[in-house]
Amino acid sequence: RKEVEQDPGPFNVPEGATVAFNCTYSNSASQSFFWYRQDCRKEPKLLMSVYSSGNEDGRFTAQLNRASQYISLLIRDSKLSDSATYLCVVTRGTGGGADGLTFGKGTHLIIQP
Amino acid sequence: NAGVTQTPKFRILKIGQSMTLQCTQDMNHNYMYWYRQDPGMGLKLIYYSVGAGITDKGEVPNGYNVSRSTTEDFPLRLELAAPSQTSVYFCASIPGPYSPLHFGNGTRLTVT
Repeated sequence: RKEVEQDPGPFNVPEGATVAFNCTYSNSASQSFFWYRQDCRKEPKLLMSVYSSGNEDGRFTAQLNRASQYISLLIRDSKLSDSATYLCVVTRGTGGGADGLTFGKGTHLIIQP
Repeated sequence: NAGVTQTPKFRILKIGQSMTLQCTQDMNHNYMYWYRQDPGMGLKLIYYSVGAGITDKGEVPNGYNVSRSTTEDFPLRLELAAPSQTSVYFCASIPGPYSPLHFGNGTRLTVT
């Protein structure tokens, strides 16, 4: 099993719809989880951290399922501007330095008018 | 406050040439990182530094060297460019552990 796995997509979703995608991770010792957003040919930017109890930021909801070792991202009322690649990022252990981060390959989302 | 600045934005190298990718940050961050991203792939860590004078290898260090003489600057050196080093290179920094990464705009390098 790869360290971090994501469905590459693309997910083609009509504007206004709800879309969700998951990311599975293999290291049960992983402690921190993040979703980054990357627009075409640009640098990744932090979308949100993922907390154990789940967390919400506007239209975005992130969930963590430790038992099944996956995190999820839900986007409600999708906008054209949500079109991007969403990167799942997981720490390899308990350390907090970014040298311990593993990046998924990303899920490509296309919101269609 | 410019954040993380990378130069150049684009570069084409011939096989065997050398170059230095520049990265500087004005946020006084101790931790700095170099990643490469190949098409359709996740970011891979090349080298990182937890402070001036301290550097360490990441997952894919072969063919690269770094130095960290100041807190602000973290240049990445390619000594003998190879086609396998064609990629997009991102520099990033964080103020401390568990902080989100601040990325530069990237350098797109082609080796032919």
